[in-house]
Amino acid sequence: DAGVTQSPTHLIKTRGQQVTLRCSPISGHKSVSWYQQVLGQGPQFIFQYYEKEERGRGNFPDRFSARQFPNYSSELNVNALLLGDSALYLCASSFPAGGSYEQYFGPGTRLTVT
Amino acid sequence: TQLLEQSPQFLSIQEGENLTVYCNSSSVFSSLQWYRQEPGEGPVLLVTVVTGGEVKKLKRLTFQFGDARKDSSLHITAAQPGDTGLYLCAGAPVQGAQKLVFGQGTRLTINP
Repeated sequence: DAGVTQSPTHLIKTRGQQVTLRCSPISGHKSVSWYQQVLGQGPQFIFQYYEKEERGRGNFPDRFSARQFPNYSSELNVNALLLGDSALYLCASSFPAGGSYEQYFGPGTRLTVT
Repeated sequence: TQLLEQSPQFLSIQEGENLTVYCNSSSVFSSLQWYRQEPGEGPVLLVTVVTGGEVKKLKRLTFQFGDARKDSSLHITAAQPGDTGLYLCAGAPVQGAQKLVFGQGTRLTINP
């Protein structure tokens, strides 16, 4: 069974540019969440989408936006990139069941902003 | 703001030794997950604990959820070099968005 897939694997952008990251959840999973993991730290929650609706948003500026498509795949957009946006961006999918919130992560997209 | 504090942040021990990693918070969580992450990869789910006082075993790994659902521990018996990695605890808040709050991680190195 295919796990969560993310593209691209690596990305190098310049300050001020815009970037779009993509995620395909595990088949049957309807919820997708995005996390940012800066080197040496644990992942930080950015967004959660369920059935194409935003269900949660972390403490990130409005430069960060996301959406979920009818096939449950998702995109994360970041505008006006800053050096501090350099991080591993993780997508996780889940099938809410009993409130355990088990999430399954993709390999991530490594974004470097120069 | 809910926070999870992991300790120690770094741990380097010899093969065959035992170790415990702690994950503490002042907040109650509906469940707690432990993940292991290799360099350049996403976290891989090891276990989920839901009930206060719950203990789960995964081969040489033992996970415990505190009675008050505010803390958890991971104990590894007879550590092996293959156990090397970044261990992350993550809690699901009782209320609010369906998100995970992560600790900062414990980087474990097992030396042959």
